[in-house]
Amino acid sequence: AQKITQTQPGMFVQEKEAVTLDCTYDTSDQSYGLFWYKQPSSGEMIFLIYQGSYDEQNATEGRYSLNFQKARKSANLVISASQLGDSAMYFCAMRDFSGGGADGLTFGKGTHLIIQP
Amino acid sequence: DTAVSQTPKYLVTQMGNDKSIKCEQNLGHDTMYWYKQDSKKFLKIMFSYNNKELIINETVPNRFSPKSPDKAHLNLHINSLELGDSAVYFCASSQRGSLNNEQFFGPGTRLTVL
Repeated sequence: AQKITQTQPGMFVQEKEAVTLDCTYDTSDQSYGLFWYKQPSSGEMIFLIYQGSYDEQNATEGRYSLNFQKARKSANLVISASQLGDSAMYFCAMRDFSGGGADGLTFGKGTHLIIQP
Repeated sequence: DTAVSQTPKYLVTQMGNDKSIKCEQNLGHDTMYWYKQDSKKFLKIMFSYNNKELIINETVPNRFSPKSPDKAHLNLHINSLELGDSAVYFCASSQRGSLNNEQFFGPGTRLTVL
């Protein structure tokens, strides 16, 4: 069974500082994908970054990077130089083929990030 | 152009009623999904459809039935609505076959059952 754990229900960060959002996962599969989504107060789900289980390098997308530590089963999101617009809910999610082709995302409970000026 | 669209955006109804939420994607994806986000913001998958075939049904009550007239549409029909059905429902789509295929989400439908 899949499980995603996000241990930080909420975080306050000063503008322009870097922030790390924690995510650990549990799977018995060798092949899986890890995703981060952002949900601002307007409600839409915005894809941020993806990391595959076989990717040797950490994923980066602009100010977002994923600190992937496979042995520890962690996939933390790092946001550099935070901005007020980064205030939102952030969800870590996992996808695998354990269901014999089923590929829905399993989500963590999310972290509510608030950037303070 | 909107990639994944849902209608309506808001739905307020009485207990016991039957309602539908429509979803359309113009991305050419072969798989569509429904997720439920509860009042605590927890997102959980309800269904996925691939080539008109149900792949996942995560212990969802049979009052919920997905209907896909074609691969660009996946509608969610709910019978005998209950108070606990109040939530935000998200439709999403992706292309199967690769783990790194991003799921594109619709804007969500906020359902309130009174």
